[in-house]
Amino acid sequence: QKEVEQNSGPLSVPEGAIASLNCTYSDRGSQSFFWYRQYSGKSPELIMFIYSNGDKEDGRFTAQLNKASQYVSLLIRDSQPSDSATYLCAVKSGGGADGLTFGKGTHLIIQP
Amino acid sequence: SAVISQKPSRDICQRGTSLTIQCQVDSQVTMMFWYRQQPGQSLTLIATANQGSEATYESGFVIDKFPISRPNLTFSTLTVSNMSPEDSSIYLCSVAGYEQYFGPGTRLTVT
Repeated sequence: QKEVEQNSGPLSVPEGAIASLNCTYSDRGSQSFFWYRQYSGKSPELIMFIYSNGDKEDGRFTAQLNKASQYVSLLIRDSQPSDSATYLCAVKSGGGADGLTFGKGTHLIIQP
Repeated sequence: SAVISQKPSRDICQRGTSLTIQCQVDSQVTMMFWYRQQPGQSLTLIATANQGSEATYESGFVIDKFPISRPNLTFSTLTVSNMSPEDSSIYLCSVAGYEQYFGPGTRLTVT
């Protein structure tokens, strides 16, 4: 049984600070890792994906992957109130033919 | 990324009836996926739809309850059959290359 674990939160962060979101996964065969942002009543929006160990940066977002520890994280720098949302971690075992296994999501609140 | 549309965007249905949800993509894609998001929960994969073959269902989901069609490379349907209130969810289609993108979802309420 593939499992993806996230702290449900809420995680409250002051505006301008760094928000750190964490995710662990059980399937060592997982190949790719995704972070989605979901606003209430909306569908998930892809923020970042990462395949290799280490860091991947895109604007204010940095994804970090440690396959040995089965751990993936998302850092949001200079947090803005518009970043307040639920962040979903998802993993895929194989290539394009595989669907995603999602965590339950972390509710992030950026305090103005 | 592909542009994905779904119809209907929302519906309220009576128990025992069926609803067919349509998913249209603006480009040809090999793999399409259907997910369910129950109230307050995360997404759960229902099935994978590959054009020209039978859909592959995840554990806990069966074809009689969630029949899927995939007539071409830009379109798929998911039917929720013999609905009960427990089927009240958001149903999302998704397309995949290396990344997966989601349609806007269909919010279904069963009364």
